[in-house]
Amino acid sequence: GQQVMQIPQYQHVQEGEDFTTYCNSSTTLSNIQWYKQRPGGHPVFLIQLVKSGEVKKQKRLTFQFGEAKKNSSLHITATQTTDVGTYFCAGGTSYGKLTFGQGTILTVHP
Amino acid sequence: EADIYQTPRYLVIGTGKKITLECSQTMGHDKMYWYQQDPGMELHLIHYSYGVNSTEKGDLSSESTVSRIRTEHFPLTLESARPSHTSQYLCASKGQANTGELFFGEGSRLTVL
Repeated sequence: GQQVMQIPQYQHVQEGEDFTTYCNSSTTLSNIQWYKQRPGGHPVFLIQLVKSGEVKKQKRLTFQFGEAKKNSSLHITATQTTDVGTYFCAGGTSYGKLTFGQGTILTVHP
Repeated sequence: EADIYQTPRYLVIGTGKKITLECSQTMGHDKMYWYQQDPGMELHLIHYSYGVNSTEKGDLSSESTVSRIRTEHFPLTLESARPSHTSQYLCASKGQANTGELFFGEGSRLTVL
């Protein structure tokens, strides 16, 4: 079945440093979604990418979807303590199935 | 802010008890989902529904059952809870928007002693 791998599992950064998490699918995706889950909270939708090679920005967050639509990345520039949480990618298929990656737990040290 | 609600938020029960986790949404979404998530781990789909009287099992085998008698309501039931069922259960719904966004409830943290 479809597998979505996400690395790294953990990332510790100093406030102000950049952060990147990577997502790789075993199959070609129809779309990729990203979610953020704060400690003790529930996942909150960040964005969906659907086009090959697509790049979208949300303030300090940059999302990319690979040309082959099998990988994606989320990059945060100049992290802040409010960025703390777990970032999940979720790969979507054409028939609507969504498979979540393992998540990257981001810790930001002030 | 999403209008999807889960109760109870926290539940501690003994082995063998029957429990029902409630999930309701007021957005009129047809698609609803139950995910199981252990602390710091990924989300595993255990059940989903594409509308009233439609329920399907997800990727992760679960001893729980679900029902969808009304659009807004998608309860999950465990007939006989065991310590291995200790986890967080997240309910989610999705509308027709092109973003495909899943709206999650706050979750129900279940501890079975």
